[in-house]
Amino acid sequence: QKEVEQDPGPLSVPEGAIVSLNCTYSNSAFQYFMWYRQYSRKGPELLMYTYSSGNKEDGRFTAQVDKSSKYISLFIRDSQPSDSATYLCAMNQFYFGTGTSLTVIP
Amino acid sequence: EAGVAQSPRYKIIEKRQSVAFWCNPISGHATLYWYQQILGQGPKLLIQFQNNGVVDDSQLPKDRFSAERLKGVDSTLKIQPAKLEDSAVYLCASSPGPSYEQYFGPGTRLTVT
Repeated sequence: QKEVEQDPGPLSVPEGAIVSLNCTYSNSAFQYFMWYRQYSRKGPELLMYTYSSGNKEDGRFTAQVDKSSKYISLFIRDSQPSDSATYLCAMNQFYFGTGTSLTVIP
Repeated sequence: EAGVAQSPRYKIIEKRQSVAFWCNPISGHATLYWYQQILGQGPKLLIQFQNNGVVDDSQLPKDRFSAERLKGVDSTLKIQPAKLEDSAVYLCASSPGPSYEQYFGPGTRLTVT
């Protein structure tokens, strides 16, 4: 079993939709949870960083962590074409998911 | 503030050849990381430096990969000899210290034929 599981998609939504991206993990020792955005042929860019359980909001982005279920989510409100990218979850800095490819259609 | 710089951006070599990648981290960042990202996968940590010392190289295939960070600034990653399965994007990242906020460079895309 992989330590971090992430649905690779691809996910395609119309502009303005709410997007939900998710990861599950197996190691209950993970305490730090990150979401990165990676545009084509670019390096990952840190979007959100959460410690332990709970929610964190930053503009149109909300990160949720449910440690009891070993499940994390990233919500994007009012999605824009510029949000089209691959979204990677990461645990404790070095344990990355495979990424979900998102396309927002104008 | 300038970001993490990497060169070359693209490299094509034949198997059994050698190749080197260069990384210049953000000024003042003490911690430097090299990752390998195979197409369709997340980045995999190869090596972590704190200044010019190695913190973690447990996933570095030491029979063919080597890395150094002289003077605690720039770093080079070398592969010798390359195998087909080394085809990937090699990402360099840096952070002010061993924290969770890493800043990634654009990567070097290596194709081994």
